[in-house]
Amino acid sequence: EDQVTQSPEALRLQEGESSSLNCSYTVSGLRGLFWYRQDPGKGPEFLFTLYSAGEEKEKERLKATLTKKESFLHITAPKPEDSATYLCAVQASGTYKYIFGTGTRLKVLA
Amino acid sequence: NAGVTQTPKFRILKIGQSMTLQCTQDMNHNYMYWYRQDPGMGLKLIYYSVGAGITDKGEVPNGYNVSRSTTEDFPLRLELAAPSQTSVYFCASSSAGLAGAKQETQYFGPGTRLLVL
Repeated sequence: EDQVTQSPEALRLQEGESSSLNCSYTVSGLRGLFWYRQDPGKGPEFLFTLYSAGEEKEKERLKATLTKKESFLHITAPKPEDSATYLCAVQASGTYKYIFGTGTRLKVLA
Repeated sequence: NAGVTQTPKFRILKIGQSMTLQCTQDMNHNYMYWYRQDPGMGLKLIYYSVGAGITDKGEVPNGYNVSRSTTEDFPLRLELAAPSQTSVYFCASSSAGLAGAKQETQYFGPGTRLLVL
């Protein structure tokens, strides 16, 4: 069964304290892995798409990496405005359906 | 571009009532999705569509129906509402297969919060 597990469930960081969020997946052939940011009361906002092991994408303080079993979202020197829930999703080969993890709630303290 | 729009933003239903959640996108995307999100949980796929006239079930389709008569619109129908359908519903569309798209990007609407009492 295709599955996505995110850890930790919640994370509190001081402003400037770098850390990483994990997304491990089990899927019958990976078509793509996706990261989203979700603010309270809003729809998810797309961050990154990764297609193959070894691929990396960066945007401001965020960097996403992909291996054959997991993906990491690295947050460098976070700011309070980075506080949000970060969601990971995968697509299996041959399908355009998304399977989401339950997310990591990030709180960055000033 | 308005992106993905959803109506209504909030609705209270009585048990057994029916309603349609509206979703429209103006990006000419072929792929569209309906999800539900329960508190503290991730998104669960209800139904999706790969183009006008083509729909398929996701993980949690029971109690819901969809149709896709145009590229732009993908309404979700709730028949005989139950308390278990209390949730936040998100519609999304994807750039998959779109000519000129460098990567697949999924865009979400603002959500419809539904309360069934």
